[in-house]
Amino acid sequence: DTAVSQTPKYLVTQMGNDKSIKCEQNLGHDTMYWYKQDSKKFLKIMFSYNNKELIINETVPNRFSPKSPDKAHLNLHINSLELGDSAVYFCASSQSGGPREQFFGPGTRLTVL
Amino acid sequence: AQTVTQSQPEMSVQEAETVTLSCTYDTSENNYYLFWYKQPPSRQMILVIRQEAYKQQNATENRFSVNFQKAAKSFSLKISDSQLGDTAMYFCAFRAYTGTASKLTFGTGTRLQVTL
Repeated sequence: DTAVSQTPKYLVTQMGNDKSIKCEQNLGHDTMYWYKQDSKKFLKIMFSYNNKELIINETVPNRFSPKSPDKAHLNLHINSLELGDSAVYFCASSQSGGPREQFFGPGTRLTVL
Repeated sequence: AQTVTQSQPEMSVQEAETVTLSCTYDTSENNYYLFWYKQPPSRQMILVIRQEAYKQQNATENRFSVNFQKAAKSFSLKISDSQLGDTAMYFCAFRAYTGTASKLTFGTGTRLQVTL
């Protein structure tokens, strides 16, 4: 009964490849997020979707393309992977209105060789 | 834009003792939320405690409590009766009250080691 799940948990790939990370939440939330945690553990927002609509798009290279097929899913596709993309990517979800606490997935550790 | 500062990169505390982690923030917003998240070695992000800026009373959750000083823009976390399982990275985070989907702005984290 995992609240926010991500697949895969680990991803090792070569520079130049294209990869996707999937996220699903079963909390009934209407808002989902992608965060990136770099090698120094710093967490930064990348994207946010509310009811399948893109709400937040920070200054992220356009090689990164989020897709939300429905409220419960938010996927992240990365084209032409670079060494600097190596990080842990977290998906999170929340319900708009009220405290809007964000619940995080387990993270996906991406390593680009 | 909001900023969150955690000035203690690492801290250590003995089991059963009390430790306080510092956090300051800068914002022009009047209504917002503040959070402390814990990230153990498993890397799962776990919410420890939440404070609404409009509430004067400091939030508490069992052994965890905060000292929220709105005028000083300070939000420290006190862990009482520290346990080995409290060993983790602790992140302070800010979230504006307005907007449909407000992002979390995180501090750089404090690595807490609880020792025997």
